[in-house]
Amino acid sequence: AQKITQTQPGMFVQEKEAVTLDCTYDTSDPSYGLFWYKQPSSGEMIFLIYQGSYDQQNATEGRYSLNFQKARKSANLVISASQLGDSAMYFCAMREGGLSGSRLTFGEGTQLTVNP
Amino acid sequence: ETGVTQSPTHLIKTRGQQVTLRCSSQSGHNTVSWYQQALGQGPQFIFQYYREEENGRGNFPPRFSGLQFPNYSSELNVNALELDDSALYLCASSTPPGLAEWGHNEQFFGPGTRLTVL
Repeated sequence: AQKITQTQPGMFVQEKEAVTLDCTYDTSDPSYGLFWYKQPSSGEMIFLIYQGSYDQQNATEGRYSLNFQKARKSANLVISASQLGDSAMYFCAMREGGLSGSRLTFGEGTQLTVNP
Repeated sequence: ETGVTQSPTHLIKTRGQQVTLRCSSQSGHNTVSWYQQALGQGPQFIFQYYREEENGRGNFPPRFSGLQFPNYSSELNVNALELDDSALYLCASSTPPGLAEWGHNEQFFGPGTRLTVL
């Protein structure tokens, strides 16, 4: 069963506007972490933001914020004031496991294109 | 940059051959995870090494094997290469599993090795 679902293969946004990238997840573990990574065409995965399952407030990191709705099992990434350099592939990922490991399960990704 | 390095950056092999990919982890990190990313897909977890032992494995056959060395660097070995092994192979280093149990425990990724199997 797919644990991370990203339903938007591609998204387009105008420069300086905000955009929301969707992510839903599935787990029976009460303790988990949710991550968003950016992958430019060069291939390196760049960490953007983290949300723990017990965190009471939505995570924010500069222009990135995470809209965490635990009951709906969603963890959408909001990018404010989009820049041309934000054009890249974006992956949502979940970490489970504790002492047995800390593997990340990734979604299929969303290709974001920022238009001038 | 994360401080995680991988070598080589690109590699071309033929079916049936064997390949070794290398990864040096970020300073202070003793846990290394390997991921395979096929074109147009998200990364898939291969396995993780902690204290020189395998600590968790994804759904990959035994011809995918690994090593971790005392300096925490790691190797991924793939035997009997198949065309479907063509992918970007990513290495990620992190603090030990469970140490920052439900804290951040971010995985820092290297730039990847792009493997092409002909």
